[in-house]
Amino acid sequence: AQSVTQLDSQVPVFEEAPVELRCNYSSSVSVYLFWYVQYPNQGLQLLLKYLSGSTLVESINGFEAEFNKSQTSFHLRKPSVHISDTAEYFCAVSGGGSNYKLTFGKGTLLTVNP
Amino acid sequence: SAVISQKPSRDICQRGTSLTIQCQVDSQVTMMFWYRQQPGQSLTLIATANQGSEATYESGFVIDKFPISRPNLTFSTLTVSNMSPEDSSIYLCSVEGGTAYGYTFGSGTRLTVV
Repeated sequence: AQSVTQLDSQVPVFEEAPVELRCNYSSSVSVYLFWYVQYPNQGLQLLLKYLSGSTLVESINGFEAEFNKSQTSFHLRKPSVHISDTAEYFCAVSGGGSNYKLTFGKGTLLTVNP
Repeated sequence: SAVISQKPSRDICQRGTSLTIQCQVDSQVTMMFWYRQQPGQSLTLIATANQGSEATYESGFVIDKFPISRPNLTFSTLTVSNMSPEDSSIYLCSVEGGTAYGYTFGSGTRLTVV
């Protein structure tokens, strides 16, 4: 069985400050890891993913996440946030192959204040 | 990655009635997934729908309450039957875009049962 823990339900920050949203997972098999973003009253959008290869993955809007197998973590970071980054962020894990189902964390609400 | 059209985007329904949600994908996909997102909560997988076979339901979800159709490789419907206020949620469909793409989600159906 696989599970995802997002340690912070809410993260308030000021504009242009750095932010880290934490995600830890457990899985008995190799994993694929994802971060999804949900803006207010919208559906989910894939932000970035780790499938294999380089442990540091980046999105087009400045977010990055690092897969750390020893720590079983996949924390999301951004060096300088904008008000438009205010959204709910979900970490998710899939085992791939026959273990294809996505398991989501409970989400972290990032609120960027001016 | 696949593009998903989901409708209706929102609805307000009377208790005891049923609502059918449609999900159309712009490419053929083997598996389609239906999720529920209760207010302030994360996403929970309801069922996996494969074309030509019965949907596979997760623990806590039953076919009588959430019947699913999958008539072809680009379309699926989820019906929420005999609704009660506890069914008020966002319902989302999702497809796997292959491991190179991750999972794509529809924009969701925001259901309110009164």
